[in-house]
Amino acid sequence: NAGVTQTPKFQVLKTGQSMTLQCAQDMNHNSMYWYRQDPGMGLRLIYYSASEGTTDKGEVPNGYNVSRLNKREFSLRLESAAPSQTSVYFCASSEALPGNSPLHFGNGTRLTVT
Amino acid sequence: RKEVEQDPGPFNVPEGATVAFNCTYSNSASQSFFWYRQDCRKEPKLLMSVYSSGNEDGRFTAQLNRASQYISLLIRDSKLSDSATYLCVVSLNTGFQKLVFGTGTRLLVSP
Repeated sequence: NAGVTQTPKFQVLKTGQSMTLQCAQDMNHNSMYWYRQDPGMGLRLIYYSASEGTTDKGEVPNGYNVSRLNKREFSLRLESAAPSQTSVYFCASSEALPGNSPLHFGNGTRLTVT
Repeated sequence: RKEVEQDPGPFNVPEGATVAFNCTYSNSASQSFFWYRQDCRKEPKLLMSVYSSGNEDGRFTAQLNRASQYISLLIRDSKLSDSATYLCVVSLNTGFQKLVFGTGTRLLVSP
């Protein structure tokens, strides 16, 4: 099983450019998440989707938008990239609420904004 | 005060050693507790959940102390392959059971 697949693995953007990070899971999970990981900080939730058709803001949603395209796919869009968005981004999914079932993470996207 | 605090390490231990990490959390209403493992430049993976009575999985033992608000992870007979960063994760029940990740404790096991 592929699990959670994220693309791209690496990306360099100039300030003001836009891009979409793609995520797909093949485990039939209901919930999906986008996190960012920065040095010296724990993973922080950007947006989540508790189930198909719903999305909600997490801890650090500013500058991002998401789309839960279907049960499998959950994309993250940066409309106008800023250097502060340089980070490693992880998509994750879980069968049920994250406190009740483990998160399965994708391999991550290393984004640099210059 | 951070919601979840961990000693960043690194903890340098020889193969075969026993090593323990602690993690403290600030919210007494925290519901669930986990240890995740993250290898260098890789994604986090669940190592084990932490139950109130403590639990063991092979060489790994997790303990929860609600009164003092900390959880611990004990690794016995360390292997080179245990070298990784160990993330303490706490679940707060704020509607969608928000997870709070610690910054991680780095373990280096040497031959």
